[in-house]
Amino acid sequence: DGGITQSPKYLFRKEGQNVTLSCEQNLNHDAMYWYRQDPGQGLRLIYYSQIVNDFQKGDIAEGYSVSREKKESFPLTVTSAQKNPTAFYLCASSSPGLAVYEQYFGPGTRLTVT
Amino acid sequence: AQSVTQLDSQVPVFEEAPVELRCNYSSSVSVYLFWYVQYPNQGLQLLLKYLSGSTLVKGINGFEAEFNKSQTSFHLRKPSVHISDTAEYFCAVSSNAGGTSYGKLTFGQGTILTVHP
Repeated sequence: DGGITQSPKYLFRKEGQNVTLSCEQNLNHDAMYWYRQDPGQGLRLIYYSQIVNDFQKGDIAEGYSVSREKKESFPLTVTSAQKNPTAFYLCASSSPGLAVYEQYFGPGTRLTVT
Repeated sequence: AQSVTQLDSQVPVFEEAPVELRCNYSSSVSVYLFWYVQYPNQGLQLLLKYLSGSTLVKGINGFEAEFNKSQTSFHLRKPSVHISDTAEYFCAVSSNAGGTSYGKLTFGQGTILTVHP
């Protein structure tokens, strides 16, 4: 089955540690996205990538980093510089043309930093 | 810049009653509009979308929405809800300003629909 996988589903880290969230898709989509979700705030875009080896900052990129070495993979690193990292993180992807506006989402990773 | 406002943070209804979840947007250019649904601790699933054409859009699970350009609204409706419709619903807007192929979505804050027996 085609889709997006995110692992792990739950992640716990101590403050000051970097942590990497995995996102893999087998939909052959060119574009991939990372969102952060906080209660009552909807989804906010962290980073996006339209093609391999290229990515752009979204609305809240500070304290995060990404890479796009393969079409299928778009890992997100939450660094110790992120002041409030505890949140639900969602990865999405889309295909070119008008379909780029229809994004497919993974199941999410809930990160808790204490 | 574009923005989305979902007018109700929570909507409680009884099973088999009709429901309307309200969404207003602001944008200086033509827009594409979406409704997504999120069940607890899961990702988002596309319910329906408006890209062009008929302003009444039908989606999955019996939902529909109407694009009203003059009122800049895209309200979501269902004539008879089920317990299984309990979830959080997000309205989203995107524009094709500049012809970019990047599909930037701006999401509303979400509306939690709770269906009671």
